[in-house]
Amino acid sequence: QVQLQESGPGLVKPSETLSLTCTVSGSSVNRAYYWGWIRQAPGKGLEWIASRYPSGTAYYNPSLRSRVTISLDTSNNHVSLEVNSVTAADTAVYFCARVDVRLAGFPFENWGQGNLVIVSS
Amino acid sequence: EIVVTQSPATLSVSPGERATLSCRASQSVSNNFAWYQQKPGQAPRLLIYGASTRATGIPARFSGSGSETEFTLTISGLQSEDFAVYYCQQYDNWPPSWTFGQGTKVEAK
Repeated sequence: QVQLQESGPGLVKPSETLSLTCTVSGSSVNRAYYWGWIRQAPGKGLEWIASRYPSGTAYYNPSLRSRVTISLDTSNNHVSLEVNSVTAADTAVYFCARVDVRLAGFPFENWGQGNLVIVSS
Repeated sequence: EIVVTQSPATLSVSPGERATLSCRASQSVSNNFAWYQQKPGQAPRLLIYGASTRATGIPARFSGSGSETEFTLTISGLQSEDFAVYYCQQYDNWPPSWTFGQGTKVEAK
């Protein structure tokens, strides 16, 4: 059974870079799944950030593309996310999730518990 | 970019009643559509994928329907544990992208 666990700083200063790691167990990031990040600002809805397929192109939300990078670390079985030049608007719970491409419509089938990140000086 | 509009924002339902939630996509997404349930402090849980297929372990009282641009989630015989926020989500094939609706809060009447 796949498990996803996000980790990262709880507090980041404005203009700095936010770095998050998703540790995957029970599956390999090198297998045929999309791995992605979704965030949720306090009291708000879900926003897809980015997804990546092993040995493939990364895909980004157009509204965030210029500031984010998603990568897969096959050595450590991690999924990483970097968000540059953060502002208060980046304050959110960040979720790591896995897409099973065998399921119609490529849904996010498995989710981590989320990591709250607050952007504040 | 495909926009997904979810309605209503809030739905007040009594236990045992039926709840009907709707989503509309700004252009056809075929059956690349999913529904999620989220309870406070928890991650979303996949309920329905492919517009109408229940995910593993999801009770039969949850059903999804629709195609192209109009989609519906129906909860028949609402139970107390079903009070939550529900999100719809579309997948666009090219370039790959995922878009969520704004959410519908199902609350006790």
